[in-house]
Amino acid sequence: GAGVSQSPSNKVTEKGKDVELRCDPISGHTALYWYRQRLGQGLEFLIYFQGNSAPDKSGLPSDRFSAERTGESVSTLTIQRTQQEDSAVYLCASSPGLAGRETQYFGPGTRLLVL
Amino acid sequence: KQEVTQIPAALSVPEGENLVLNCSFTDSAIYNLQWFRQDPGKGLTSLLLIQSSQREQTSGRLNASLDKSSGRSTLYIAASQPGDSATYLCAVERAAGNKLTFGGGTRVLVKP
Repeated sequence: GAGVSQSPSNKVTEKGKDVELRCDPISGHTALYWYRQRLGQGLEFLIYFQGNSAPDKSGLPSDRFSAERTGESVSTLTIQRTQQEDSAVYLCASSPGLAGRETQYFGPGTRLLVL
Repeated sequence: KQEVTQIPAALSVPEGENLVLNCSFTDSAIYNLQWFRQDPGKGLTSLLLIQSSQREQTSGRLNASLDKSSGRSTLYIAASQPGDSATYLCAVERAAGNKLTFGGGTRVLVKP
């Protein structure tokens, strides 16, 4: 079956512009995660959605970052007034939501470059 | 705050040698520990997931051990092949929230 998909695969934008990154999780997966991987650094957790519960936004680095999820499907990560330090690979993952028992399945990522 | 460290940061071995990758974490209150593989320009692929109650998991040439009390995990890859060249990431999942905390990774190069 289809895995996690993300779009666009690459995005180049100018400093100060807003960007939207999209994630389509695996069908039936109730949990969805966003991570960021900056060049030469490890993955950083950004935000986590689980079903209809309030999202865990504890990893969002600033109020310029926000994310939404429609039910248990598509999620959009929005970065407003982009800065050069926002340049990174943004990875989305989904899982069936069984805490601690299931791995997270990752998409290929969106490579964002802010000029 | 949970911190995950992977040593070494990079490793180069000739084909056929066994690989030993180390991961340590500071908070032993975890649900599970996972090992992932990351290839350039691609997402992460899950290799092994060890529940907190388990001590090891095996899949083919891969074996991962977990010593929760000492905050350590080791990934062994037997009889390495050039196709094993990738970055290997260790991640722990806490009891609440399910978010993963990742180590910095070990870049592995297996030379033919």
